Amino acid sequence: DGGITQSPKYLFRKEGQNVTLSCEQNLNHDAMYWYRQDPGQGLRLIYYSQIVNDFQKGDIAEGYSVSREKKESFPLTVTSAQKNPTAFYLCASSFAGTLGRRQGYGYTFGSGTRLTVV
Amino acid sequence: AQKITQTQPGMFVQEKEAVTLDCTYDTSDPSYGLFWYKQPSSGEMIFLIYQGSYDQQNATEGRYSLNFQKARKSANLVISASQLGDSAMYFCAMRGVMEFYFGTGTSLTVIP
Repeated sequence: DGGITQSPKYLFRKEGQNVTLSCEQNLNHDAMYWYRQDPGQGLRLIYYSQIVNDFQKGDIAEGYSVSREKKESFPLTVTSAQKNPTAFYLCASSFAGTLGRRQGYGYTFGSGTRLTVV
Repeated sequence: AQKITQTQPGMFVQEKEAVTLDCTYDTSDPSYGLFWYKQPSSGEMIFLIYQGSYDQQNATEGRYSLNFQKARKSANLVISASQLGDSAMYFCAMRGVMEFYFGTGTSLTVIP
């Protein structure tokens, strides 16, 4: 079955460490996204990528980095520059391009990674 | 400018009753899509229902229906016959040309 997989489910980071969150999809989606969610709050966009080898900053990109070397993969690195990284991270994917009347332009989400600084 | 507004941070509903979760949006795009997602405590985001801006009829998916009022720019979610498993966060979202915009969510609690 097609889907989007995030790993690990739980991740613990020490102060000053970089950690990488994995996101893989086999839906043949062009676009991939990373969101951060803090307790009781909505989703905030970190980075997104519409095509391979290209990505754009979202609203809260500082302290994060991404790569898009393959269509299926969009890993997120939380760097030591991110001072408050404890949060729930959601990866999503979708078809890109102009919006039509097809339902397929919605997002498919991964199951999330919960990152905690220890 | 905020694109999606959900004004109800928390809602309570009696089991088996219907509940409406409010959502208003702001866009100048002639073509857009409106979505509702459910997020249980496990954190996954579950797609519930979609409404296209050109769709003439309100979308329905089982116990979920979307009350789409284009002139008012509202896309309220109606859940009929609430069940205990409906307790979760609910997010309204809009797809524009390039990005998705999410509301801040409504926490729904179903009371036995």
